[in-house]
Amino acid sequence: IQMSQSPSSLSASVGDRVTITCRASQRISNYLNWYQQKPGKAPNLLIYAASTLQRGVPPRFSGSGSGTDFTLTISSLLPEDSATYYCQQSYNTPRTFGQGTKVEIK
Amino acid sequence: QVQLQQWGAGLLGPSETLSLTCGVYGESLSGYSWTWIRQPPGKGLEWIGEISWRGNTNFNPSLKSRVTMSVDTSKQQFSLELSSLTAADTALYYCARRGNIMIVEDMPRDYYYMDVWGTGTTVTVSS
Repeated sequence: IQMSQSPSSLSASVGDRVTITCRASQRISNYLNWYQQKPGKAPNLLIYAASTLQRGVPPRFSGSGSGTDFTLTISSLLPEDSATYYCQQSYNTPRTFGQGTKVEIK
Repeated sequence: QVQLQQWGAGLLGPSETLSLTCGVYGESLSGYSWTWIRQPPGKGLEWIGEISWRGNTNFNPSLKSRVTMSVDTSKQQFSLELSSLTAADTALYYCARRGNIMIVEDMPRDYYYMDVWGTGTTVTVSS
């Protein structure tokens, strides 16, 4: 299963609402995870099952979608949200990732 | 709180074999599956494969012919070997726990995700 994300990068201001899109090459129901990776750090799980927030993740992060199209939304961008975000399908193996979306703060 | 600590050789020559080990601390290795993921410099994440605590494996077909994974429950460790290295294998290699949860909606479904990660080991393949 191929995963594609858009945009590949974006620049937004603190307080902006940010949306990242992930598309699967075939239907994957809601078997979709989102990760945040900051420079020099391992990825951190944000959301699993397309919309369930991992413990400890701030509620400004949310996920939605089912089938082939998914979104990650940051409701009000903070400086610490500057990172690269990856989607990953867990429908089957290999558990493929999207190419990543780099979020920068203006 | 579970932590993963990984180690292994960082500089290898072409055609050599990469060997990495990940130690699990703070919680039992048993009952989970364990994953290896890599990230070439400046690029995205690639799932290498996973091994259950019982030793059952799933590998990425693109690497399957060169990958070996093992688990040692007595030592609380799991390992990755990747043979016939080339420069394309140069990457930051991560170990991670494959967490899972069953959610009952219209029917019971198992969801898998990587919820605990090691800090990564840089592997460079160069002559």
